[in-house]
Amino acid sequence: SQTIHQWPATLVQPVGSPLSLECTVEGTSNPNLYWYRQAAGRGLQLLFYSVGIGQISSEVPQNLSASRPQDRQFILSSKKLLLSDSGFYLCAWSNRGGYNTEAFFGQGTRLTVV
Amino acid sequence: GQNIDQPTEMTATEGAIVQINCTYQTSGFNGLFWYQQHAGEAPTFLSYNVLDGLEEKGRFSSFLSRSKGYSYLLLKELQMKDSASYLCAVRSHSGNTPLVFGKGTRLSVIA
Repeated sequence: SQTIHQWPATLVQPVGSPLSLECTVEGTSNPNLYWYRQAAGRGLQLLFYSVGIGQISSEVPQNLSASRPQDRQFILSSKKLLLSDSGFYLCAWSNRGGYNTEAFFGQGTRLTVV
Repeated sequence: GQNIDQPTEMTATEGAIVQINCTYQTSGFNGLFWYQQHAGEAPTFLSYNVLDGLEEKGRFSSFLSRSKGYSYLLLKELQMKDSASYLCAVRSHSGNTPLVFGKGTRLSVIA
């Protein structure tokens, strides 16, 4: 069966520090991968998605970036965190193609920038 | 652009039925999804509709009207554990297009 791992679960970082969140998927090949962010009391905002290695689409211009160095690995990074980067970060995957392909979420990383 | 609207909060009584509505205006349509999210946890998939009509899954049902850009999630025999946020999401194009989510409806089930 397919599983998605995301770490760390919680993170407290000072303003201006770098960030690296990692997500890996097991049990499937060539998945679509996504990073979402959920601010307190708000909906899920799509940040990045990838349909293949090295292919990244950015939905919202900001100081975050994403990379997909391997088929089932998706990394979210920042060189300098802002207070507004605080939130609940969720990685998700879905099967390629098809139409009734729901997204499956990792357990999320709660990031607090102080 | 994409616009997905849901009520912000709802309250219902244990054992009752509740209907959570979702309206959407998107550049295309290729399926509507409902997710449940308990506080502090990741969303989990509940249901999928791509054709008009009702899909039933145990206590949960989801309805879609594409011509009206409207869906609802129906929860029957409410239990306290159903207290959660319910997220409506739309896929606007191919299967490789990301889901776009509404802001979610926070449901409180009271005794």
